[in-house]
Amino acid sequence: DGGITQSPKYLFRKEGQNVTLSCEQNLNHDAMYWYRQDPGQGLRLIYYSQIVNDFQKGDIAEGYSVSREKKESFPLTVTSAQKNPTAFYLCASSPGLNTGELFFGEGSRLTVL
Amino acid sequence: GNSVTQMEGPVTLSEEAFLTINCTYTATGYPSLFWYVQYPGEGLQLLLKATKADDKGSNKGFEATYRKETTSFHLEKGSVQVSDSAVYFCALSGPYTGRRALTFGSGTRLQVQP
Repeated sequence: DGGITQSPKYLFRKEGQNVTLSCEQNLNHDAMYWYRQDPGQGLRLIYYSQIVNDFQKGDIAEGYSVSREKKESFPLTVTSAQKNPTAFYLCASSPGLNTGELFFGEGSRLTVL
Repeated sequence: GNSVTQMEGPVTLSEEAFLTINCTYTATGYPSLFWYVQYPGEGLQLLLKATKADDKGSNKGFEATYRKETTSFHLEKGSVQVSDSAVYFCALSGPYTGRRALTFGSGTRLQVQP
């Protein structure tokens, strides 16, 4: 079945360590997104990519990095510079930027110990 | 910039009660409006959408009407079930969002008791 796969589902990390969250889609979508979800704050956009080898900062990009070397993959690295990384991270894709309908993965919960 | 405001939760209802979750927005131009639902431990799923004023989106017994005059997109359901317990997000998109993707509200948690 087509969809978006995020891994790992749960991740624990010590302070000062970088961690990479995987996001893979087989929907042949051009655009991909990373959102962060915190209790009571809804979803906030971290990074997005409209096409391979191109990506743009969202509203809260500081302390994060991404790459888009393949259409199917959009990994997110949470670096040690991110001051409050404990959160639920959601990856999404859509056929094109601003088409409105996003398809979400099941999320990755990162906890910093 | 664009923004979405939702009523705070949690909203607690008994089974078969009527549901309304309020959503208002601020945007330039004519955005498309969406309701997404998130079940526990899962990602978000599109519930319904409306792309122009006075459109009504509907799905699984849920409805919402795009009201430009009041900049609102309230979610309604005539008779809720326990299985409707989830977090509901209102969101908008549109031609003037520029570099943004969807803009989401803060979410409203619905708890339906048997």
